[in-house]
Amino acid sequence: AQSVTQLGSHVSVSEGALVLLRCNYSSSVPPYLFWYVQYPNQGLQLLLKYTSAATLVKGINGFEAEFKKSETSFHLTKPSAHMSDAAEYFCAVRHGSGNTGKLIFGQGTTLQVKP
Amino acid sequence: DTAVSQTPKYLVTQMGNDKSIKCEQNLGHDTMYWYKQDSKKFLKIMFSYNNKELIINETVPNRFSPKSPDKAHLNLHINSLELGDSAVYFCASSQGWGGTDTQYFGPGTRLTVL
Repeated sequence: AQSVTQLGSHVSVSEGALVLLRCNYSSSVPPYLFWYVQYPNQGLQLLLKYTSAATLVKGINGFEAEFKKSETSFHLTKPSAHMSDAAEYFCAVRHGSGNTGKLIFGQGTTLQVKP
Repeated sequence: DTAVSQTPKYLVTQMGNDKSIKCEQNLGHDTMYWYKQDSKKFLKIMFSYNNKELIINETVPNRFSPKSPDKAHLNLHINSLELGDSAVYFCASSQGWGGTDTQYFGPGTRLTVL
């Protein structure tokens, strides 16, 4: 069965500091992996996705993530945090064969950016 | 020109009532979804339709009934509302239901059952 674990329900960084949000997955088949962001009182917006092409995936707003099969990880990073990055971040995994289309979400990580 | 829209945005109602949430997408997508986000922000899929056909039906009480009148609409009807139904409900859509298809989410409907 697929699952996603996000380490750290709350991460706090200073403006300009590196952002690192951790995500580990469990999947019996090659996974498709996603990072979504949710700003307060809004829906989810896709940041980036891994679809078995390049292992380093670049997304919107300066975010990127690296797929590491040996570590079953898909951590999200951004070199320099901005105040506008404060939001809830969700990692999600989807069945590689895509025959069910079910997206399994992690529990989310709240990113706080301090001035 | 909102891609995925939901109405209403807020819904406050009494236990035992019946209510509906509407969802519309103007992206021309074939697949639509309903998700529930609980108070701890945990997101879980409830239903998915592809070309008006139900393809995912998670373990959801049968008080919840989705209806897809056409590919652009997926409504959620809830009978006999209970306190535990209080949550934010998100509609989403994707081009297909393959593994790489991006899901686009609506703004959510915050349901409060008193």
